[in-house]
Order: sequence, then C-alpha cells, then structure tokens
Amino acid sequence: KNEVEQSPQNLTAQEGEFITINCSYSVGISALHWLQQHPGGGIVSLFMLSSGKKKHGRLIATINIQEKHSSLHITASHPRDSAVYICAVRRPNDMRFGAGTRLTVKP
Amino acid sequence: DTEVTQTPKHLVMGMTNKKSLKCEQHMGHRAMYWYKQKAKKPPELMFVYSYEKLSINESVPSRFSPECPNSSLLNLHLHALQPEDSALYLCASSQGGAYGYTFGSGTRLTVV
Repeated sequence: KNEVEQSPQNLTAQEGEFITINCSYSVGISALHWLQQHPGGGIVSLFMLSSGKKKHGRLIATINIQEKHSSLHITASHPRDSAVYICAVRRPNDMRFGAGTRLTVKP
Repeated sequence: DTEVTQTPKHLVMGMTNKKSLKCEQHMGHRAMYWYKQKAKKPPELMFVYSYEKLSINESVPSRFSPECPNSSLLNLHLHALQPEDSALYLCASSQGGAYGYTFGSGTRLTVV
C-alpha cells in the first residue's frame, strides 16, 4: 500500500463544476502539500498545510490530522484548471508523493 | 529571486555521451533535491543534499552522479545512460523542516 493515496485517479468535469480531490496518508508528517503539474511542465506548489483550511482564489485545501486525510476543492472550475494535482507529504528528509489526479475541465 | 532554475529544459543524448544537468536557487535554501519522473507517474526521489553534503542517495545507479559545488548550485552528471533513463528530471529546494519545496520546471531527458 502506498504511503500516500489519492482519489480519483482521473476526473473529467464540465466548466463551472465544483471539484474535490482526496488524499489519505499513512505516515507521520510535518506538513502536506498540494501541487499542480501541467503537461510537460514543472511543479507548482498550491498549498502547504499542517492543520485546518487554506483558501486561495477558487482553490480550497483542508486537512484533518487525526484522520490523516486532506481534500483539495476547486470552485467554479475552468478549462485552465486542467492539470495533474498531486498530494505530497513532508517528512523530515524528503517528500512522498501521491500518484496524482488527472483533471480535465471541458468548456 | 524565488525560483529554482533548471538547465537545459530539453536534452537528447546518446548512450555513450556525458552530459550534466544544472539546478540553481538563490533563496538561501539549505536543502536541494533531485527527482526523476516518468510519464504519468509521481516524482521519485534520487538524491538529497543538505548543507552541500549528500545526505540521501536512494540507491541510484552510478551512471548518475550528483554534485553540489556551493549552496546555490546542484548538478547531476550523466554518463552511459540507458534509454529507460529517459524521463523528466526535477530539482527542488527547501529551507528544511516543515517548510515547503520550490520546484524547478525540469529537464526533459531523452536517451537514444
């Protein structure tokens, strides 16, 4: 079993829909990251969370430390949100990544 | 400067070639990382440098040789690679502890 599990693996939505991506982890962490990767591109850090909830524009990330679970929400989705979203957990010496969720938002 | 800069962006090399990937950051981050990412897979850790010293080597073959000449620069020297080494190579840096990572845009390597 992977240390970081994401669901769903693939997600197709219509423009304007509310989107949720989930992440569960099984190890102790110092922080959890939500990352965005566009095709052929580098990785952009969206959020770093150690507790509670963060909001940036149309993106909201939450984490429940007791349940070892985090969610990334996108409100009013747009085709430019199409990308791979990766959950990653921060450990003392490195970061462990989930397999990613490939999101496609259709106009 | 809040970026990690990787060069080159694309590299095609033969199996007998020697080449190097370069990564640079000027944020004063003390930890720097090399990751390898195959298509549709998450990044896999290769090496970690902490305070310019190699602290983690994830059993990477010796045809990959990392080097950290100073606190801002991280190189990955490549020699006698195989076609299966073709991948996106990502560099990242961090202040350490619970601080976040800053990723470079990667070098897309093709071994022919």
